Amino acid sequence: GAGVSQSPRYKVAKRGQDVALRCDPISGHVSLFWYQQALGQGPEFLTYFQNEAQLDKSGLPSDRFFAERPEGSVSTLKIQRTQQEDSAVYLCASRSALGTDTQYFGPGTRLTVL
Amino acid sequence: EDQVTQSPEALRLQEGESSSLNCSYTVSGLRGLFWYRQDPGKGPEFLFTLYSAGEEKEKERLKATLTKKESFLHITAPKPEDSATYLCAVSNYGGSQGNLIFGKGTKLSVKP
Repeated sequence: GAGVSQSPRYKVAKRGQDVALRCDPISGHVSLFWYQQALGQGPEFLTYFQNEAQLDKSGLPSDRFFAERPEGSVSTLKIQRTQQEDSAVYLCASRSALGTDTQYFGPGTRLTVL
Repeated sequence: EDQVTQSPEALRLQEGESSSLNCSYTVSGLRGLFWYRQDPGKGPEFLFTLYSAGEEKEKERLKATLTKKESFLHITAPKPEDSATYLCAVSNYGGSQGNLIFGKGTKLSVKP
């Protein structure tokens, strides 16, 4: 079946621009996570959704970062007034239910801020 | 603070030369330990989940083991297609419902 998809795969933004990154989780998956991966590092947690509810946003680095999942399926990560330090790969992962632990990742969106 | 440390950072092997990757962890309450493989330009691909000390799982040339403080990923007779970055992650029972805490990864290169 289809896995997690993300779009766009690559995004170049000028400093100060707003960007929106999209995640389509595996159909029926309740949980959705966003991670940020800097070059040469492991992914770092940003935020977590259970259906449409954002239950944890403790990893968002600043109030310029905003995520939503209004209908409990597709999610969007928005970054306002992008800065160079926002350059990274943004990964989305989904998980089927609370009782299971395996997260399945999408291919990521590579954001470059010039 | 929950933490994951992987070693070595990079490992070069000849085809057929078996070795092990190490993942040391400190976590308040281990919910699960995960191994992922990541190829350049791609997202992490799930390999194994381990839940308790003494547990072992195998898949083709890979075998993962778990103790109370660390996990090993053993690679037997590796092939060039095993070249990738291997990521270890843990989840705990506190905080967010199972977000993963990753190490920096071990970059494995297997030469023919």
